[in-house]
Order: sequence, then C-alpha cells, then structure tokens
Amino acid sequence: AQSVTQLDSQVPVFEEAPVELRCNYSSSVSVYLFWYVQYPNQGLQLLLKYLSGSTLVKGINGFEAEFNKSQTSFHLRKPSVHISDTAEYFCAVSDKETSGSRLTFGEGTQLTVNP
Amino acid sequence: EPEVTQTPSHQVTQMGQEVILRCVPISNHLYFYWYRQILGQKVEFLVSFYNNEISEKSEIFDDQFSVERPDGSNFTLKIRSTKLEDSAMYFCASGEQGYNEQFFGPGTRLTVL
Repeated sequence: AQSVTQLDSQVPVFEEAPVELRCNYSSSVSVYLFWYVQYPNQGLQLLLKYLSGSTLVKGINGFEAEFNKSQTSFHLRKPSVHISDTAEYFCAVSDKETSGSRLTFGEGTQLTVNP
Repeated sequence: EPEVTQTPSHQVTQMGQEVILRCVPISNHLYFYWYRQILGQKVEFLVSFYNNEISEKSEIFDDQFSVERPDGSNFTLKIRSTKLEDSAMYFCASGEQGYNEQFFGPGTRLTVL
C-alpha cells in the first residue's frame, strides 16, 4: 500500500517569485511518481512524471521536480510563477511492479499566485 | 491529440435513483479507471478494469457500483441506488500498458438531492 502526504494545503506567492510544493510518499514497493494540476472546474492534467533515470524531471509550463529516494520525496518547483499557475496541484504515486495499478493521490496543494 | 471524454458533464439525480456515467477512453489504451473527488477533498480511486474485467477495486466500490465496457469503446460506471454522499466529481482515466501513466477525462459532476 502507498500513501502520499502533501505538506502544504495552501501556498500563496507573488507573481514572478519561486515556488516549491512539497510531496512525501510512503510505500513498501518501488513507485512511479506524478504531479497533476487541476484548474478550477476542470479535470486533471499531467504536469510531469518520474519513471526512472535522472532524478530531476522537467514538465510542462516550466515546472520541474526532483525525486529523492532516501527522503522519499518528490517536490515540485518553478523558478518564477505566473498568475495563470493558480490551481490545485496533486502529487500521486503508483506501484512500479504492477502494470496498470491505481494512482494514490495526496490531499492537494492550492497554489495562489497574487499580482 | 487523443483525449478521454466523459458525458454528461453534470448530472443531477434524486436519492435512490440509478445513474450511469459514460466515458470514452483513448482508443489504443488497455487500462481503464474510475476515480472520484468529493468537493474540497482529494482524488480517490474507485476501480480499475483490464481485459474485460475488474482488476482492482477500493473499499468505496461496494455492491451499489458496477462498471462495464459494453461495446469496445465506451466505459461506464453505474450507481444502482444513489445516496447523498455519492455527490462528487467522477473522473474516468485510461492508460497504456507499461508505465501506469493515466490520462484523465474532464469529469462528471454528480449531484444527489
């Protein structure tokens, strides 16, 4: 079984400031890691994913995340945010050893970018 | 770019009524999923479907729920007798074999009165 903890439920930042959204996971098996974004009244869009290889992964809209196996973390970062980045961000994991396994989501972090 | 579609976008029903939520997954995908998100809460897994049968289900997915792939393109979620607590956004997702990346539809907002 897996669990995901997103340490901040709300993150307010000013436009053009850097941001980090934190995610920690717990699992008895190896996992794939994902970040999804949900804009108001919309579905879930994949931002980026870690499957294997380099621990620093780049996604859409200038976001990146770093997988840290020893700290079981997968924090999301962006060096300079825009108003349009205001959304809910979800970290998720799935079992690497079972094809097609479920996604387990964190509680979400509401990022609000203020002018 | 192929995408997952869901209908209807919003369904309002009376408690005790049956509802069917419909999804058209991406055509070459093999895995199909339903998730739900109660307002203000996290996304929760309901069920996964592979090779024409349920491959995994959560404790939420009780006897009131069923899934079907009736015609090789649609994937449906049926709730037999809706309860107030079934009010949520229901997301369908699909994925190819391999990396477990899942593509989500826009969701159906179910309101049970």
